[in-house]
Amino acid sequence: EPEVTQTPSHQVTQMGQEVILRCVPISNHLYFYWYRQILGQKVEFLVSFYNNEISEKSEIFDDQFSVERPDGSNFTLKIRSTKLEDSAMYFCASTLRNTEAFFGQGTRLTVV
Amino acid sequence: GESVGLHLPTLSVQEGDNSIINCAYSNSASDYFIWYKQESGKGPQFIIDIRSNMDKRQGQRVTVLLNKTVKHLSLQIAATQPGDSAVYFCAEQGGTSYGKLTFGQGTILTVHP
Repeated sequence: EPEVTQTPSHQVTQMGQEVILRCVPISNHLYFYWYRQILGQKVEFLVSFYNNEISEKSEIFDDQFSVERPDGSNFTLKIRSTKLEDSAMYFCASTLRNTEAFFGQGTRLTVV
Repeated sequence: GESVGLHLPTLSVQEGDNSIINCAYSNSASDYFIWYKQESGKGPQFIIDIRSNMDKRQGQRVTVLLNKTVKHLSLQIAATQPGDSAVYFCAEQGGTSYGKLTFGQGTILTVHP
């Protein structure tokens, strides 16, 4: 069964450092997303990406965040200068078109 | 503003019982709703979805009911099993925001053997 894969599963970084979270969406999907979930809270939308550009982003997705699809398979989320409050689970998701979103297992980001 | 919320944060049931998890939404433009199951340390896993032109949809052991009049969504799990223990989230999507899901707070379902 096709699945969304994310690496690494856990990333520890020092405050102020840059991190890149990686995702390989399902191969024939067209829409790609990043969500985050702070411990014990609900999943929050960050950004959607379609046709090689951001289609929508939330207030959380400020200038410190960026996304890229550098090749035909990877989809990355970069945080330029991490803050303590960026510590969360980050989920990548993909969908074909107005169908259910499939989520990866997540990357746990810990900023110390 | 737009929000999706849950009435009950926790639900404990005995194995074999039926479970009902509720969700309220406030965006009348929402046209697609999904229930996700999240086990500890894992990503949300799709359970069942329903579009706004329907009021009921059934899957294997699960049923989703949609009441657009009162903006209410429910997930029914028949013959609940210990493996059903997880956090259940409802999520809604509106208009042309493909895949941009607004999640509820989640309900913790605990199934006792």
